[in-house]
Amino acid sequence: SQKIEQNSEALNIQEGKTATLTCNYTNYSPAYLQWYRQDPGRGPVFLLLIRENEKEKRKERLKVTFDTTLKQSLFHITASQPADSATYLCALDIMTGGFKTIFGAGTRLFVKA
Amino acid sequence: EAQVTQNPRYLITVTGKKLTVTCSQNMNHEYMSWYRQDPGLGLRQIYYSMNVEVTDKGDVPEGYKVSRKEKRNFPLILESPSPNQTSLYFCASSLGASGASTDTQYFGPGTRLTVL
Repeated sequence: SQKIEQNSEALNIQEGKTATLTCNYTNYSPAYLQWYRQDPGRGPVFLLLIRENEKEKRKERLKVTFDTTLKQSLFHITASQPADSATYLCALDIMTGGFKTIFGAGTRLFVKA
Repeated sequence: EAQVTQNPRYLITVTGKKLTVTCSQNMNHEYMSWYRQDPGLGLRQIYYSMNVEVTDKGDVPEGYKVSRKEKRNFPLILESPSPNQTSLYFCASSLGASGASTDTQYFGPGTRLTVL
């Protein structure tokens, strides 16, 4: 069956450390993989998109890697801050004539001061 | 300001009473989509639209209808709501040029629907 898995348990880290979130998928061949941030009661906010032929992408303190052989993406936040506390969602864009987007359930990140 | 708006933001209704949730974007985006979000299940795509008059089913289309008569609007229609459609609904849009990816999706603020 097809599925996307993110760490179901919350991730607790200390301010200043690097947070690493994982997204694994099976039986999909995504053209793109995206990461979003979602705060309670709000809509998701786009962070980064990485294409199937890209290995790594960076934006400020964020870094995403994409391994299509392992079917895994890692999302890193360096020098984490309490303001980074949120739920982070990974999403696959699947080509099916049009484009469908499949989201993971998200990982809750808590950054302690 | 570039944005996706949804109305209403909160709605409590009863089983079987038809309702429409409106979605509008002011970014001239071609691609629009509806999602529902339930605890533990994440966001699930209901319907999406690649352009005017072009719509297609997502993963959970049962019990929903959509239309795309204008580029900026993509209403979600529940002809006969049932309690299992109680959820948080998000509309999203993206540039989605022909042949390209869906690109960055911009999400609306959400509509919390309760069906009694």
